[in-house]
Amino acid sequence: DVKVTQSSRYLVKRTGEKVFLECVQDMDHENMFWYRQDPGLGLRLIYFSYDVKMKEKGDIPEGYSVSREKKERFSLILESASTNQTSMYLCASSFDSGTGRNGYNEQFFGPGTRLTVL
Amino acid sequence: ILNVEQSPQSLHVQEGDSTNFTCSFPSSNFYALHWYRWETAKSPEALFVMTLNGDEKKKGRISATLNTKEGYSYLYIKGSQPEDSATYLCAFISGTASKLTFGTGTRLQVTL
Repeated sequence: DVKVTQSSRYLVKRTGEKVFLECVQDMDHENMFWYRQDPGLGLRLIYFSYDVKMKEKGDIPEGYSVSREKKERFSLILESASTNQTSMYLCASSFDSGTGRNGYNEQFFGPGTRLTVL
Repeated sequence: ILNVEQSPQSLHVQEGDSTNFTCSFPSSNFYALHWYRWETAKSPEALFVMTLNGDEKKKGRISATLNTKEGYSYLYIKGSQPEDSATYLCAFISGTASKLTFGTGTRLQVTL
């Protein structure tokens, strides 16, 4: 059974703290993604990675960074958490078909981390 | 920023009813359209990836159609069951993009 796991389901942090959200996939996927979900808004892409040590900004990268040191692991880092980063964070992965374009490949999602920043 | 719209925002049907929802996306430069189902407390799961105008896909009681020329896709559920209760998301990728743009979803609730 394929799996994307996230380190925590619920997390409460204080303003200014550095926060690490971890995501691990066991499908040997090349592509990994971090999204956030807020009420009334669609899933918004924060960052994605198409290979180890590679990353690209998504739609809302401000206030976030990422790290991909190993193929199976993609970390999202909130350098200094703020209350407007309170959200549901979802990690996803997908297979890379080698065309440089991966819109044909479904994404597999983790269960999400609900982060509250006080 | 690409605009992907889903309607209705929410839907409440009785068990056994058939229902459908709409996803609208830009009609130019189409590449692919994804549908996902997201049940409460679970991970979103892919239902369909649609790539060709006129595509029709089916999985059990759920089916989807695609019209890339006019920029819409329909998702149909035949004989809704309580286990169909979920948020249904569509996501669009254009020919010039490398990432999905998601709609805000249609929340379906099926009651007995």
